Amino acid sequence: QKEVEQNSGPLSVPEGAIASLNCTYSDRGSQSFFWYRQYSGKSPELIMSIYSNGDKEDGRFTAQLNKASQYVSLLIRDSQPSDSATYLCAVNSFSGNTPLVFGKGTRLSVIA
Amino acid sequence: DTEVTQTPKHLVMGMTNKKSLKCEQHMGHRAMYWYKQKAKKPPELMFVYSYEKLSINESVPSRFSPECPNSSLLNLHLHALQPEDSALYLCASSQASLVADTGELFFGEGSRLTVL
Repeated sequence: QKEVEQNSGPLSVPEGAIASLNCTYSDRGSQSFFWYRQYSGKSPELIMSIYSNGDKEDGRFTAQLNKASQYVSLLIRDSQPSDSATYLCAVNSFSGNTPLVFGKGTRLSVIA
Repeated sequence: DTEVTQTPKHLVMGMTNKKSLKCEQHMGHRAMYWYKQKAKKPPELMFVYSYEKLSINESVPSRFSPECPNSSLLNLHLHALQPEDSALYLCASSQASLVADTGELFFGEGSRLTVL
């Protein structure tokens, strides 16, 4: 059973701080990794994808991947109250028609 | 604005009713998905269509019946549902090859279903 683990939170950070969201996965064959943001009552929205070890930056967001440790993280710099949402980590193994596996999500609350 | 459109946004139905959820995308994506999401839980995959063919059915009860009339449309037919089927039903699409899927999903806004 392929698993993706996240702390459910809530993770509370003050406005302007760095929020760090973590995710571990069980399938060593996993090839691609995604972070989705979901506001309460809304649908998930893809915000970052990462495919190789290291860091990938997009604006205030940085995704970090360490395949040896089976660990992927999302850093949000200069956190804003509008970043308050649930962040879903998702992993794809690319083996045949294996569907994307979602973690349970981490609820982030940015306090003004 | 999402490029995956779902209708209706809200649906209330009795356990004996038959209804359908509809999904449409015009991004040229060849993989389309139905997910079910309960409150404070992650999306749970129900069905995947790849090139208009059902490629994954995650052991969903037969009271849910998917249909993919063409590459842009995806329906979910509902019949004899139970109150525990009340949830947010999400449609998604992605670029797909016959070998593997990118995993980059574009979700619609969802259809919130209440079964009485």
